[in-house]
Amino acid sequence: KQEVTQIPAALSVPEGENLVLNCSFTDSAIYNLQWFRQDPGKGLTSLLLIQSSQREQTSGRLNASLDKSSGRSTLYIAASQPGDSATYLCAVRDAGNMLTFGGGTRLMVKP
Amino acid sequence: GAVVSQHPSRVICKSGTSVKIECRSLDFQATTMFWYRQFPKQSLMLMATSNEGSKATYEQGVEKDKFLINHASLTLSTLTVTSAHPEDSSFYICSAGGGQGYSTDTQYFGPGTRLTVL
Repeated sequence: KQEVTQIPAALSVPEGENLVLNCSFTDSAIYNLQWFRQDPGKGLTSLLLIQSSQREQTSGRLNASLDKSSGRSTLYIAASQPGDSATYLCAVRDAGNMLTFGGGTRLMVKP
Repeated sequence: GAVVSQHPSRVICKSGTSVKIECRSLDFQATTMFWYRQFPKQSLMLMATSNEGSKATYEQGVEKDKFLINHASLTLSTLTVTSAHPEDSSFYICSAGGGQGYSTDTQYFGPGTRLTVL
């Protein structure tokens, strides 16, 4: 059974810092991996989706990498802003479109 | 495109009552819909997968008689929490697998429904 772990569980940084969120998964037979953002009490916003054949995806200040063989993905946030404060979830998808979520990283960016 | 809505966004009910939550794909037909539950400060946990016109597949530990799922059309799935109890209070999120014209390798998420059982 796929297990997804996110480290750290919580992170607090001053504004402007570059930061890395980590995601690891136990079964490398994934179809793709997706990073989401969730604001308190809200639904999910998809940030980046990396296909299993890809190594990374970029969108603005966000860069996600994928190393499928080692079961790892990272989400890099450049020049963090207070508006980036949220919970970040990674999820891996199998060939049947089933998602397994990690526990999330709660990010706080202080002004 | 690929918008998924949920109704209601928030519901408060008394213990013992039943609550129905609707999940709609607004601009595409979704053959598969997923229901997740999220407790405070925890991640999303898949409850069940529903395919249009067939019975839902429940994850281990989810009571199918308590959480009734109906996927009667390609744009609507409903989750009914029967005889709700305070421990059922949670954030329920649905998602829809992409149908014709939309990516089939992703899920499109609704905004969630906050259920509070008194």
